[in-house]
Amino acid sequence: SQELEQSPQSLIVQEGKNLTINCTSSKTLYGLYWYKQKYGEGLIFLMMLQKGGEEKSHEKITAKLDEKKQQSSLHITASQPSHAGIYLCGARVGGSSASKIIFGSGTRLSIRP
Amino acid sequence: DTAVSQTPKYLVTQMGNDKSIKCEQNLGHDTMYWYKQDSKKFLKIMFSYNNKELIINETVPNRFSPKSPDKAHLNLHINSLELGDSAVYFCASSQRGLAGGQRQETQYFGPGTRLLVL
Repeated sequence: SQELEQSPQSLIVQEGKNLTINCTSSKTLYGLYWYKQKYGEGLIFLMMLQKGGEEKSHEKITAKLDEKKQQSSLHITASQPSHAGIYLCGARVGGSSASKIIFGSGTRLSIRP
Repeated sequence: DTAVSQTPKYLVTQMGNDKSIKCEQNLGHDTMYWYKQDSKKFLKIMFSYNNKELIINETVPNRFSPKSPDKAHLNLHINSLELGDSAVYFCASSQRGLAGGQRQETQYFGPGTRLLVL
């Protein structure tokens, strides 16, 4: 079965600094999702990557999927307090009849003012 | 105009009770899901329904029974609640289909229901 590993598990960053979160899969990724979860709230969809080498950006967050489609990184530039939360990567698995997302264990990000 | 909503937001109950959690989506999606997030924040799928038909059942105890009265609703009923059922339960929805030749099934999540079994 496919597994996703995220690193680091937790991260404390000074406000204004850059940071990177990694997501590594044991198998080829067909659809890699990044979500953010704030305490007491649901998951907020950030980005989805499908093609090897693909890169997407939204405001100060950039996500990349490597050429082999087994690793993705999420990079935040000039971090702000609003970036604090738990970041989850998810991979779509399954065929056309029934697909699901399996999630990594999450990275807890705290921003120090 | 919440996209995916769940009720209740919090649920505290005694062991052995039966409880239900409701989920509604107004996105016009044809697929809905239930996920369980445990105390370690690990998120795992439980069920998935497409057009009111069960398509994924991830070895969940029979005490959990999802029901989909229509495409916009997927409720979760839990019988004989146990301590280990304490978790946050998330509902999600997506629309199956292709966009630009690529499968696009982004799932949108509800705010979660925090269940505590005493």
